[in-house]
Amino acid sequence: VQLVESGGGVVQPGRSLRLSCAASGFSFRNYAMHWVRQAPGKGLEWVAFISNDGRDTSDADSVKGRFTISRDNSKNTLYLQMISLRAEDTAVYYCSRCQEDYGRFDSWGQGTLVTVSS
Amino acid sequence: IQMTQSPSSLSTSIGDRVTLTCRASQNISNYLNWYQQKPGKAPKLLIYATSTLQSGVPSRFSGSGSGTDFTLTISSLQPEDFATYYCQQSYSTAYSFGQGTKLEIK
Repeated sequence: VQLVESGGGVVQPGRSLRLSCAASGFSFRNYAMHWVRQAPGKGLEWVAFISNDGRDTSDADSVKGRFTISRDNSKNTLYLQMISLRAEDTAVYYCSRCQEDYGRFDSWGQGTLVTVSS
Repeated sequence: IQMTQSPSSLSTSIGDRVTLTCRASQNISNYLNWYQQKPGKAPKLLIYATSTLQSGVPSRFSGSGSGTDFTLTISSLQPEDFATYYCQQSYSTAYSFGQGTKLEIK
């Protein structure tokens, strides 16, 4: 199982960014996926969820209306579209695979750093 | 659902038995998972469904609890166990984490 995030970088407040998570080594279309972030020196914060077929999604109140999770099962790729970025969105963003039983996050990527700064 | 961990940090010694606590703001049945994170690394799943060890996790780790109160116990601390531990509820689709407990070497 391998999850590789990309797309992070430095972006000005109010701008947009799209993160990607390339999955390999497992049947991507069979698994729900999540994004989790971690601000510098802080704890883990769940960001968003998407079901295996992409029909169901949910996201944290802190990103609602600004972040959109999506997936392309034909490309084995998970996405996080982020708009209207704020300084408080600065964090390492991880994608993770979710097992159906008990919603456990059993595999994680290495993370990609998003820095929102002018 | 709010998850609260205690203590925030703990100074311990190799060989000690330690117990970390996690409390949910409402009943989450046994939908409680524990993760270990080392500096600069992604979290690693240790225990799911309150007490089931993830494959490959040493048996010195154990979990217990139900409803709103849960514990993670490490029976004899090893050098590689000094890390930050997070609990997470998977009862609701807003999969909230606790703020973490950092284990430090005394």
